Formats: sequence, structure tokens, C-alpha cells
Amino acid sequence: ELKVEQNPLFLSMQEGKNYTIYCNYSTTSDRLYWYRQDPGKSLESLFVLLSNGAVKQEGRLMASLDTKARLSTLHITAAVHDLSATYFCAVTTNAGNNRKLIWGLGTSLAVNP
Amino acid sequence: DVKVTQSSRYLVKRTGEKVFLECVQDMDHENMFWYRQDPGLGLRLIYFSYDVKMKEKGDIPEGYSVSREKKERFSLILESASTNQTSMYLCASRTTGGIQPQHFGDGTRLSIL
Repeated sequence: ELKVEQNPLFLSMQEGKNYTIYCNYSTTSDRLYWYRQDPGKSLESLFVLLSNGAVKQEGRLMASLDTKARLSTLHITAAVHDLSATYFCAVTTNAGNNRKLIWGLGTSLAVNP
Repeated sequence: DVKVTQSSRYLVKRTGEKVFLECVQDMDHENMFWYRQDPGLGLRLIYFSYDVKMKEKGDIPEGYSVSREKKERFSLILESASTNQTSMYLCASRTTGGIQPQHFGDGTRLSIL
């Protein structure tokens, strides 16, 4: 059974600092998604990672994938308050084209001045 | 841009009522999903549909049913609402195949009194 673990679940950091969120998954999958959710809002897709060594960057966020270790990281560079949100990773089940996503519990990030 | 519209942002119902949550997408997506989101439990899949009139149970289907009579519309039904179904309900859609992410609606915060 495919399981996804994120850590940490809660992260409080200062503006200007760097930090990394980790996403481990238990069995082989061929794509991994990162989403962002602002308080009281819906989920917004950030990145999709397909292959080993894939790296995607947007602004202060950079996501990478190591399929051999079954690990994805979301690195935050020089955090700003606007990045405060909950970040989810999700991995597809390899079940044809009607793919379900298996979700991590999310990392609640608070960036403080 | 993909638009997933959920009929209500906030809904208050009474125990035992039959409750309908509606979701409409405008991008001709084959796949549609209903999740519930609770603090500390992440996103849990209730039901999904990969075609008109087709449905599959997710991880927590008990107490729920769904209807997909038209491609663009996916309804979640609480047959006899109970207080433990108080939650945030999120609808999502995606196309079949490819790497596109699931696109989410704004969510319905449902309270059962």
C-alpha cells in the first residue's frame, strides 16, 4: 500500500531563512505533485515531478525528486511572509490512466518577521 | 484556466437531512474527485469518477454516495447527515492521462448540527 509521509508537519521560521520540507513515499510511483493551500482557501498546484533528479523552481521554492530514495524535497530560500501556507505532496498510484493521488498530511509553514 | 465550481462555500444542515454538494468543471475533464479535509487527517478521498455514470469508492465512502449524470457535474450526497460529517469538502477534476495535476474547487465548509 502506497503511503506518503511529510515532515515536519509544522514549521515556524524567520523571514530570510532557508528550510526544507521532506516528502517520503513507500512504493514506486512515477509522478509526484506539490500543492499549496492558503488558510481557508483551496489547493493550488505548484509542481509536478516526473523523473529521478527532476528539479523545478518557482521564485523562492525549489522542488526535487529522488526516485531511488523515494524522496522529494521542497526547499524554501530566504523565506518571506507570503509563503506562509500549508504545503502538500501527493503521489500517484500506478493504476492506469484513472490515477488517484495519495496525499501527505501537509506541512503548515508560518514565516515570521 | 480550469474552473472547478462548488455550489456553496458554507452550508449548515441538521442531523438526518439528505445533503447534496454540487461540483461543476468547465474543462471537459473525464476524472472528478470528492475529498474531505479535516485537521490532522489531510485529504481523504471519498469517491471518484472517471466517466459519466462511472464511480469508484475512495478510502472513506461510508455514509456518502455520488452521482455523475453529465460529464461536467459530480454530486456528493450525504444520505442521512451526521455530526461526524462536519468537514471541509473539496471537489477536484483532471484529464485522463498526461501529467496535469488535479484542479480544485474552493471547497464547501459543511456543518451538521
